[in-house]
Amino acid sequence: KNEVEQSPQNLTAQEGEFITINCSYSVGISALHWLQQHPGGGIVSLFMLSSGKKKHGRLIATINIQEKHSSLHITASHPRDSAVYICAVRVITGGGNKLTFGTGTQLKVEL
Amino acid sequence: NAGVTQTPKFQVLKTGQSMTLQCAQDMNHNSMYWYRQDPGMGLRLIYYSASEGTTDKGEVPNGYNVSRLNKREFSLRLESAAPSQTSVYFCASSWDRGNTEAFFGQGTRLTVV
Repeated sequence: KNEVEQSPQNLTAQEGEFITINCSYSVGISALHWLQQHPGGGIVSLFMLSSGKKKHGRLIATINIQEKHSSLHITASHPRDSAVYICAVRVITGGGNKLTFGTGTQLKVEL
Repeated sequence: NAGVTQTPKFQVLKTGQSMTLQCAQDMNHNSMYWYRQDPGMGLRLIYYSASEGTTDKGEVPNGYNVSRLNKREFSLRLESAAPSQTSVYFCASSWDRGNTEAFFGQGTRLTVV
């Protein structure tokens, strides 16, 4: 079983819809990252959070440490939001921290 | 700002050939990383460097070597490429290995035939 599970794997939405991507993890973590990967490959960090909620523009990320779960919400979705969204957790290990990545959620927003 | 710069963006190698992927960051970060991304799998850590002069193995180091040339540059070398090394490679950097944001390069798409 992967330490980081994302759902759904694929998501198609209509422009303007509210989108939720979920991330569950099974290990102790010190932080959780949400990343965006556009076609063409570059990866951009969206959020890093260890508790509560963060908002940036139309993007909102929440985390529930007790339930080992995080969500990424996109409000008023737009075709330019089409990308792969990746959840990564910073796992606490004896040798320090390491990032473990989910397999990503492919989002397509249509007009 | 350039951030993290990787070269080349694309490369095709024949089995047994060698090559070096270059990575440089201009953010004065201490930690640098090399990952590979394969279909259906999350990014996996090949090697990392917590500071200039130090390198450590990640999850999938076999077939690779690295050099932390200075604080800015971290290169990944494939001595004898194999088809199993066909992948997209990402370099990343962060201030340290703790809870700090990671910055990624644009990726190198490598095909080994």
